[in-house]
Amino acid sequence: NAGVTQTPKFQVLKTGQSMTLQCAQDMNHEYMSWYRQDPGMGLRLIHYSVGAGITDQGEVPNGYNVSRSTTEDFPLRLLSAAPSQTSVYFCASSPDTSTSYNEQFFGPGTRLTVL
Amino acid sequence: AQSVTQLDSHVSVSEGTPVLLRCNYSSSYSPSLFWYVQHPNKGLQLLLKYTSAATLVKGINGFEAEFKKSETSFHLTKPSAHMSDAAEYFCVVSIIQGAQKLVFGQGTRLTINP
Repeated sequence: NAGVTQTPKFQVLKTGQSMTLQCAQDMNHEYMSWYRQDPGMGLRLIHYSVGAGITDQGEVPNGYNVSRSTTEDFPLRLLSAAPSQTSVYFCASSPDTSTSYNEQFFGPGTRLTVL
Repeated sequence: AQSVTQLDSHVSVSEGTPVLLRCNYSSSYSPSLFWYVQHPNKGLQLLLKYTSAATLVKGINGFEAEFKKSETSFHLTKPSAHMSDAAEYFCVVSIIQGAQKLVFGQGTRLTINP
């Protein structure tokens, strides 16, 4: 199993450009989520999905869109990038979210810089 | 509201000496608590988790943590540091609000001196 994979590893955008961060998992996990990591702030939840066709907002959803058409994939879209979106983005997955003690499995991250 | 405070942003120890990374939490619910580790330029890996079964939790690589409800703490310890322990460590509260939500602390960077 590859686990959780993310592409690209690095990306530089100009303000106003759009792009999609890709996330895929091959563990047949129902739950997938996106976090951003900023210095001194830990990770913050952007959006999450409890299954194909179901998404919801997390703590910091503004400026980001998601969709979940398959169990395996959960892309994160930036429609008009802003410098405040410079961050490291992590995708995570979990078998289910019916309990609070499920481990979430994290991808390697995408480092995004917006100029 | 749930929150996590990691009391030290940076901890530096010598190889072979004990490690203590401190974490206090606040939760309206009975939380599950995790410690994750992030090595440089890598994703996050679960070290250990508390799920109310036992207050002393053992994890991978010799780490353990003790849940103290009266002190709302979940400190991470290791008896003897190794160079490979140098990394960023995150204390995490996990709750169910519709679905599982993770609330992260700010992180503690652990440096190991030879």
